[in-house]
Amino acid sequence: NAGVTQTPKFQVLKTGQSMTLQCAQDMNHNSMYWYRQDPGMGLRLIYYSASEGTTDKGEVPNGYNVSRLNKREFSLRLESAAPSQTSVYFCASIESPEQYFGPGTRLTVT
Amino acid sequence: QKEVEQNSGPLSVPEGAIASLNCTYSDRVSQSFFWYRQYSGKSPELIMSIYSNGDKEDGRFTAQLNKASQYVSLLIRDSQPSDSATYLCAVKETGGSYIPTFGRGTSLIVHP
Repeated sequence: NAGVTQTPKFQVLKTGQSMTLQCAQDMNHNSMYWYRQDPGMGLRLIYYSASEGTTDKGEVPNGYNVSRLNKREFSLRLESAAPSQTSVYFCASIESPEQYFGPGTRLTVT
Repeated sequence: QKEVEQNSGPLSVPEGAIASLNCTYSDRVSQSFFWYRQYSGKSPELIMSIYSNGDKEDGRFTAQLNKASQYVSLLIRDSQPSDSATYLCAVKETGGSYIPTFGRGTSLIVHP
């Protein structure tokens, strides 16, 4: 039981490049989330998926898209990376009331 | 807009002391309250949840909730250097989608 896994752990992109962050959970949870965490800003919700087949915007969705591929997997795509998207990205899933976080992806956009 | 406020710290306490971390929230309909611990470079880990007024104890940790005053606190007794981390407070309304609102966290340093 690996919990929530994320790939990659680290990534450096140039401005304008695209990439997809992958997230998977093996706990059979319905709801999954993508957050970003910046120094002094706390955790901010980008997108979430309450159940398979649904996705909704969070607090800071601009510049991102998501896909809930199946119950296990929830990916986050940056179509044209910008320096403002330099951050640590966390995926999470929920078995109410407990929220489980993945190890994070540290993304730098130059 | 829901707001969750925490003192960013750092809060520095000596080993063996009680560390007291506080959190206030703006939304009166918030019903579920959580404390997460986040070590530097790691992901948040849920350590306490509380849903009703009063105290909830789990080992060295005690969560205290006062809905009338809209605050929730976390006490760490017999603080250890391994407790040094950032502590995030999160609140959520009852029902609906599970969308917690997080505070920005309080940095705790426990020095030997």
